[in-house]
Amino acid sequence: EPEVTQTPSHQVTQMGQEVILRCVPISNHLYFYWYRQILGQKVEFLVSFYNNEISEKSEIFDDQFSVERPDGSNFTLKIRSTKLEDSAMYFCASISNRLGNSPLHFGNGTRLTVT
Amino acid sequence: DAKTTQPTSMDCAEGRAANLPCNHSTISGNEYVYWYRQIHSQGPQYIIHGLKNNETNEMASLIITEDRKSSTLILPHATLRDTAVYYCIVRVAGGGADGLTFGKGTHLIIQP
Repeated sequence: EPEVTQTPSHQVTQMGQEVILRCVPISNHLYFYWYRQILGQKVEFLVSFYNNEISEKSEIFDDQFSVERPDGSNFTLKIRSTKLEDSAMYFCASISNRLGNSPLHFGNGTRLTVT
Repeated sequence: DAKTTQPTSMDCAEGRAANLPCNHSTISGNEYVYWYRQIHSQGPQYIIHGLKNNETNEMASLIITEDRKSSTLILPHATLRDTAVYYCIVRVAGGGADGLTFGKGTHLIIQP
């Protein structure tokens, strides 16, 4: 069964550094998402992406964040200058269409630790 | 999207059916009920979804009441690997770019 893959599984970085989290969505999917989950808290929506542009973003997704689909397969989340509070699990998800009867499929996440 | 209410936690004996309830009294006619689970900080895993009819797949069954104000996820023969947080989410047909809104879910613990 096709799946969403994310790399790396764990990323450690120093405060102020830039990080890029990578995702390969399911190949025929058209809509892509990033979510995050701070330890012990809810899974939170960050951003959705379609047709090479952001469809919607949450208040969390400020100017420090950006997303890109650099080629036909990868979808990336960049954090320009990491802060301690960016430490979290980051999940990528994709969906084939936005009809209500299509489920989002999630990757297993990247654990980002900012020291 | 309509809000959902789930118990914070539940226990179930291994080999028994686990029945997880969800209230969604403000659900509207074009909203689907989705169930996901999350095993120990892994990515949320899709289980099943439905609009108004009961649904069954290889993982679970979904029973939706006739008025659609509540539903029950049934894991027919729970195993220890089914210990996870289970999320009941309602989602509008036609999407909404934000995909899914997660609550706190039900922490299901399968007891040996």
